[in-house]
Amino acid sequence: LAKTTQPISMDSYEGQEVNITCSHNNIATNDYITWYQQFPSQGPRFIIQGYKTKVTNEVASLFIPADRKSSTLSLPRVSLSDTAVYYCLVGGMDSSYKLIFGSGTRLLVRP
Amino acid sequence: DTAVSQTPKYLVTQMGNDKSIKCEQNLGHDTMYWYKQDSKKFLKIMFSYNNKELIINETVPNRFSPKSPDKAHLNLHINSLELGDSAVYFCASSQQGQGAQSTEAFFGQGTRLTVV
Repeated sequence: LAKTTQPISMDSYEGQEVNITCSHNNIATNDYITWYQQFPSQGPRFIIQGYKTKVTNEVASLFIPADRKSSTLSLPRVSLSDTAVYYCLVGGMDSSYKLIFGSGTRLLVRP
Repeated sequence: DTAVSQTPKYLVTQMGNDKSIKCEQNLGHDTMYWYKQDSKKFLKIMFSYNNKELIINETVPNRFSPKSPDKAHLNLHINSLELGDSAVYFCASSQQGQGAQSTEAFFGQGTRLTVV
């Protein structure tokens, strides 16, 4: 199973763009890259998923280089409510997909 | 209308007791999971079921026994509770397997179990 590595924590200020990079050197051909967000006392929430190049939704963008060994979650113009833990996961869509969570990146957005 | 619901939200019990946590999903998903999040906030998968069949058991003690009466429910029963079982337990569901279009999983709000 592909292992992921992310920074333990990041600080930002309101209105800034935040980029969180995840390394997944052993990603398999069938693996997708998925990011989750978790607020205190809540379950993780899906943010975005991608396979290659760039994916954008109303919440974030996901940049994946051609070799797919890393990915970058980009949060535009963060607000205080974006303070949370962000997890990067890799895996396929077969029924044995384990949804392995790493230690995540604790993002603190300051006023 | 809650997609993945767990009950109870809080559970305080004494060592040695047996307790159950219930989970239901109304998303029509085939796969359901139980996760444990400890005080250091690490989320560890415990079990995964696909269409009521156990797919993944991550070396969880035998005291933990999941039960899936149908694919919309995955309950977790814990025997002889220990202090180290104190954690937040999350149930989740996703549409893995044949025909899946996404790896998105939906999580419940969690059950905070405190063993005293």
